Amino acid sequence: ILNVEQSPQSLHVQEGDSTNFTCSFPSSNFYALHWYRWETAKSPEALFVMTLNGDEKKKGRISATLNTKEGYSYLYIKGSQPEDSATYLCAFPGGSGTYKYIFGTGTRLKVLA
Amino acid sequence: ETGVTQTPRHLVMGMTNKKSLKCEQHLGHNAMYWYKQSAKKPLELMFVYNFKEQTENNSVPSRFSPECPNSSHLFLHLHTLQPEDSALYLCASSQALAGDIYEQYFGPGTRLTVT
Repeated sequence: ILNVEQSPQSLHVQEGDSTNFTCSFPSSNFYALHWYRWETAKSPEALFVMTLNGDEKKKGRISATLNTKEGYSYLYIKGSQPEDSATYLCAFPGGSGTYKYIFGTGTRLKVLA
Repeated sequence: ETGVTQTPRHLVMGMTNKKSLKCEQHLGHNAMYWYKQSAKKPLELMFVYNFKEQTENNSVPSRFSPECPNSSHLFLHLHTLQPEDSALYLCASSQALAGDIYEQYFGPGTRLTVT
């Protein structure tokens, strides 16, 4: 059974702090890894789709790296702002073309003003 | 309307009722998904439709019955549900080309309470 783990489960940081969290996934038969941001009372929103070992993607103050050989991805937020408060989810597709996405439980980030 | 819409946003139903959840996407996607989000659990995939054909049924009880009449619409028909089925039900869509993985676009969800 494929398992996707995220840590920590929750995190409180002060405004302006930088932070990072981890998504761990099976390293065999890797195909892609997705990151989503889910703000309270809104829909989950895609941040990144990562497919290559060593990939690094960036969107504003948020960036992500990927290590497929050891089975982890890091999400970094530089200079956290209150509007970054959300649950950050990673998802691991079960295999090429299967569309069977397995989600982690998420990291709940609260940025304190 | 743009993106992925879901109706109703909130639903309270008794265990003997029959109700349906509706999802509509305006993105030209060909794959649509139903997910269940229970408290303190990860998003759990229920069903996947690709070009109107069901490609995944993740061992979902038969009291949940999906329907995909076309690539833009997805329904989840509910009957004789149990209180443990109370959850947030999310619909999503994505492009669907063989061998490619695309990000999913989610609707706002239906908060279902079974009494």
